[in-house]
Amino acid sequence: GENVEQHPSTLSVQEGDSAVIKCTYSDSASNYFPWYKQELGKGPQLIIDIRSNVGEKKDQRIAVTLNKTAKHFSLHITETQPEDSAVYFCAASPDTGRRALTFGSGTRLQVQP
Amino acid sequence: GAVVSQHPSRVICKSGTSVKIECRSLDFQATTMFWYRQFPKKSLMLMATSNEGSKATYEQGVEKDKFLINHASLTLSTLTVTSAHPEDSSFYICSARPPFGTGDGYTFGSGTRLTVV
Repeated sequence: GENVEQHPSTLSVQEGDSAVIKCTYSDSASNYFPWYKQELGKGPQLIIDIRSNVGEKKDQRIAVTLNKTAKHFSLHITETQPEDSAVYFCAASPDTGRRALTFGSGTRLQVQP
Repeated sequence: GAVVSQHPSRVICKSGTSVKIECRSLDFQATTMFWYRQFPKKSLMLMATSNEGSKATYEQGVEKDKFLINHASLTLSTLTVTSAHPEDSSFYICSARPPFGTGDGYTFGSGTRLTVV
């Protein structure tokens, strides 16, 4: 089955700096890679996703890059704000809708004011 | 976007009793829903895949007789934790996805914090 590894486990940045979180996956059949933000006591919220036919996707301050050959993808947050503080999870799945996501171990991002 | 509603958000039950958690897709039909479990400061671990009109598929190590899943309609899946024990205390989260090709990704419920005393 799929195995997703995520680094770092914790990340502390100053407000306004950039944050980068990296993930690798093992199953070459995976072609859908979402990123979720989870706040304490809440369910995960999708912040951005990318499919294997695209190398990069951007949505305002958030961007995701995918290197399918190397089986890794990254989340980039620019101009970080205190409200970006949360736990971020990467995930991977074959894009069928009937297969569950496999999650990375999570990154706790702390943005210092 | 797609919305998944999960209830209750919190439940406290006595050891040995059963608890039912509901997961509803509010604005789309979901033939497949997923149930995850999350321990404090840990990632989401898939427990089972709920299939409308058929038996759920459980992940290795998950007791199907303890975690009963029913997916009786295209918008509702339920997870019943039977004979709950303190070690079942956890955060349970359901997920569903609108029909393939609509562009929406997997949507998650708000989670259920189960505490067994």
